[in-house]
Amino acid sequence: DQQVKQNSPSLSVQEGRISILNCDYTNSMFDYFLWYKKYPAEGPTFLISISSIKDKNEDGRFTVFLNKSAKHLSLHIVPSQPGDSAVYFCAAKYVRGGSNYKLTFGKGTLLTVNP
Amino acid sequence: GAGVSQSPSNKVTEKGKDVELRCDPISGHTALYWYRQSLGQGLEFLIYFQGNSAPDKSGLPSDRFSAERTGGSVSTLTIQRTQQEDSAVYLCASSFVGVGAGEQYFGPGTRLTVT
Repeated sequence: DQQVKQNSPSLSVQEGRISILNCDYTNSMFDYFLWYKKYPAEGPTFLISISSIKDKNEDGRFTVFLNKSAKHLSLHIVPSQPGDSAVYFCAAKYVRGGSNYKLTFGKGTLLTVNP
Repeated sequence: GAGVSQSPSNKVTEKGKDVELRCDPISGHTALYWYRQSLGQGLEFLIYFQGNSAPDKSGLPSDRFSAERTGGSVSTLTIQRTQQEDSAVYLCASSFVGVGAGEQYFGPGTRLTVT
C-alpha cells in the first residue's frame, strides 16, 4: 500500500517557467511533508518542508503548498533553471507513536528544465 | 563539515555471497537510518538507530539483512546469501533527533548488483 504517491514519473519545462511537482498521500496522520532533490549518483538532498498545520511554505524559488482536505501537496519552482533538473522525491512523516523518524517516500518525479 | 559517507560506492557480487555496506554519519548526529531504492521505486526504510536505544528493524525485508552501529557512529549493513532482488542502491542518512520535520542528511549510496 503506497502511502505517498507521485503519479507523474517525469516533467519537462522550459527555463524561466514554473515547474509544479505533485504529491498525494493517503495517511491523514502525517505531520510533516518534505521534498528532496536527487542528482544521479548522489544521495537525496533536503529542499523544503511543511508542517501539516500550515498550507504554504516558501524558500526562495521553492514554495510548497499543502491541501489537507485533498491530501495533496505540490512543489512550485519559479523560475525554473537547468540546474534544477533532477529527481524530486516527496516524503512524509508522523511524530506520534514513537515513529517520528521514518520517512515514507514517493517514487519520485524526474524534472527536466530545458534551456 | 564532512557529510555522510558510504563505502563502497559500487558493489557487484555473485548470488549467494555475503556483502557488507558501510556508513559514516555526520559527526554529532545521534540518529542513523538505512534506506534502499530499487529500480523505479521510492526510498524504502530499512532500519533506524538512535543513541543507545534498541534499533527499529521493522523495515528489514528478511532475516538475511542485519545492521549494527558501533560506538554510536559507524554503521554496517550486512546482507547474507544475497539474491538478485537485493540489487538496489542502499542509502544511509543521519540526523539530529527531535520533534519537527527532522531533516535527514543522505550519503551518496552504495549501488549493489547481485549477478
